[in-house]
Amino acid sequence: DGGITQSPKYLFRKEGQNVTLSCEQNLNHDAMYWYRQDPGQGLRLIYYSQIVNDFQKGDIAEGYSVSREKKESFPLTVTSAQKNPTAFYLCASRRRAGSNIQYFGAGTRLSVL
Amino acid sequence: QKEVEQDPGPLSVPEGAIVSLNCTYSNSAFQYFMWYRQYSRKGPELLMYTYSSGNKEDGRFTAQVDKSSKYISLFIRDSQPSDSATYLCAMSAVRETSGSRLTFGEGTQLTVNP
Repeated sequence: DGGITQSPKYLFRKEGQNVTLSCEQNLNHDAMYWYRQDPGQGLRLIYYSQIVNDFQKGDIAEGYSVSREKKESFPLTVTSAQKNPTAFYLCASRRRAGSNIQYFGAGTRLSVL
Repeated sequence: QKEVEQDPGPLSVPEGAIVSLNCTYSNSAFQYFMWYRQYSRKGPELLMYTYSSGNKEDGRFTAQVDKSSKYISLFIRDSQPSDSATYLCAMSAVRETSGSRLTFGEGTQLTVNP
């Protein structure tokens, strides 16, 4: 089945710890995105990548980092500098040409211990 | 002020009702409009995609875009309990530049009661 796989589904972070959220897609999409979803705030863009080895900050990049070493993978690291990391994190992907439609994974819920 | 405004609800309707969900926006450059449905603790899934102004129908769902009023709507006819979800509007200005970023509304939580 083609799609976007996010793991883990649930993640807990201790104070001062970095954690990494995985996002893998087998849709052969060029662009990938990370969003954060909080109650009452909709989806906010953290980082996006339009091509391998290139990525740009979104609206709330502080305290997060990403890499794009492979077309299929776009992991997100939540660093200890992110003081309020508790949220639902969503990864999305898009074909580079011909469409603005983004397709989403099932999400990772991150909580602080 | 947010670029996209969407009433968060919650909205509760009886089964079979016609549901109207709406978003307003301020950026006149938006040309691509989407509605996503998100079930609890799941990722959003695309429902409708429209370009510029006009109507688009797909089964029980109709999307309307009025660019002159900067207003988009999603209508659900003969609503079913399985339609209970959060509905997110999303918009985009251009295709390739700036990563074709989407700007989302806050989402409207809908419950359809049997």
